[in-house]
Amino acid sequence: SAVISQKPSRDICQRGTSLTIQCQVDSQVTMMFWYRQQPGQSLTLIATANQGSEATYESGFVIDKFPISRPNLTFSTLTVSNMSPEDSSIYLCSVGSSSKFYEQYFGPGTRLTVT
Amino acid sequence: RKEVEQDPGPFNVPEGATVAFNCTYSNSASQSFFWYRQDCRKEPKLLMSVYSSGNEDGRFTAQLNRASQYISLLIRDSKLSDSATYLCVVSLGSGYNKLIFGAGTRLAVHP
Repeated sequence: SAVISQKPSRDICQRGTSLTIQCQVDSQVTMMFWYRQQPGQSLTLIATANQGSEATYESGFVIDKFPISRPNLTFSTLTVSNMSPEDSSIYLCSVGSSSKFYEQYFGPGTRLTVT
Repeated sequence: RKEVEQDPGPFNVPEGATVAFNCTYSNSASQSFFWYRQDCRKEPKLLMSVYSSGNEDGRFTAQLNRASQYISLLIRDSKLSDSATYLCVVSLGSGYNKLIFGAGTRLAVHP
């Protein structure tokens, strides 16, 4: 499976500010995804990051709040904008497997605390 | 009704025990099924995909019943290192790839 890294691994931010999270993969992948895991909860898909086109957002998530970039096949960023304490979560990127289309592998996550 | 529902847990079992997790999904159009394992403060890791014919990987056996929309995971001869949260995951497939996660079942294996 691909090796996925995320930066930063954790951050503490003040409300009203924005944070950009980076996801880097060691091989070219077609599909990249961004998930959120709120404290004590399971994972929820935020959006699918498509290379060369706009991201596809899930219900409840909007581009103004979570802008995503996908400049190439190995990199993506997720920005959490105008943060509030409710945005405190772990944010994870994932990539689709190149050999088994529907399997996904996750990065280590970014633990965000908003004060 | 949640899209993916799992046993609430936690399961506390001794080493060597056999433990079974159950999961049901609501969308009959679901195409792909998985079990992920998540250790505390870590990312989910794919444990195994679940195929219609059932599949086994060492001490782990997964079963799928499409008619009942039911997935199971059996762990035999539990080890201390099996302690984790097990996530039942479903995808509609068909090129969309959205994964829908269950809330997870926590397993604690004790000596």
